Amino acid sequence: GAVVSQHPSWVICKSGTSVKIECRSLDFQATTMFWYRQFPKQSLMLMATSNEGSKATYEQGVEKDKFLINHASLTLSTLTVTSAHPEDSSFYICSATGQGTDEQYFGPGTRLTVT
Amino acid sequence: AQSVTQPDIHITVSEGASLELRCNYSYGATPYLFWYVQSPGQGLQLLLKYFSGDTLVQGIKGFEAEFKRSQSSFNLRKPSVHWSDAAEYFCAVGAYNFNKFYFGSGTKLNVKP
Repeated sequence: GAVVSQHPSWVICKSGTSVKIECRSLDFQATTMFWYRQFPKQSLMLMATSNEGSKATYEQGVEKDKFLINHASLTLSTLTVTSAHPEDSSFYICSATGQGTDEQYFGPGTRLTVT
Repeated sequence: AQSVTQPDIHITVSEGASLELRCNYSYGATPYLFWYVQSPGQGLQLLLKYFSGDTLVQGIKGFEAEFKRSQSSFNLRKPSVHWSDAAEYFCAVGAYNFNKFYFGSGTKLNVKP
């Protein structure tokens, strides 16, 4: 099946710094990628949807200037958490759909801890 | 408003026993329904999905789910649980073009030996 990878799998950063998370579709072209955030013992909350070559569409309440999403190619989307704060600590998951696929394929997630 | 409810936060069953995880949804259009499993440190894996047709769908790992429109439910079942089934299970509803998924809060399954 289709594989989606994320890098890094976990990251610790200091408050005020920025961190970039990569999401790659390994064996298919991802026309659409999604970014989710998952708090402990809670469900996945969609943050934004990105289409290759277009600006991301953010969900209500998600700060687009804080969570920068770039979907520059059909196999790569990045999420940059700018000026991170401890409350940004969470599990970030990406997923992707593409031509010829009929479902969303999820990456393994990235654990972000802001100290 | 679109939403998914999984009323059971935790469920514990004995190995070999049957399992049913509940899922109710509220969706303004024709729902496309999914069940995913998440193991610690791993991504979500699709167990099964329902788009149309037969309301009883078969998935991987011996799971099945039944869509009941009148009850707005899509419950997941397995006749005999294995210890390796211990994980967190998420129900989700989405649109045809996958532009937005709504996830339930998840049910954590523990399996007793």
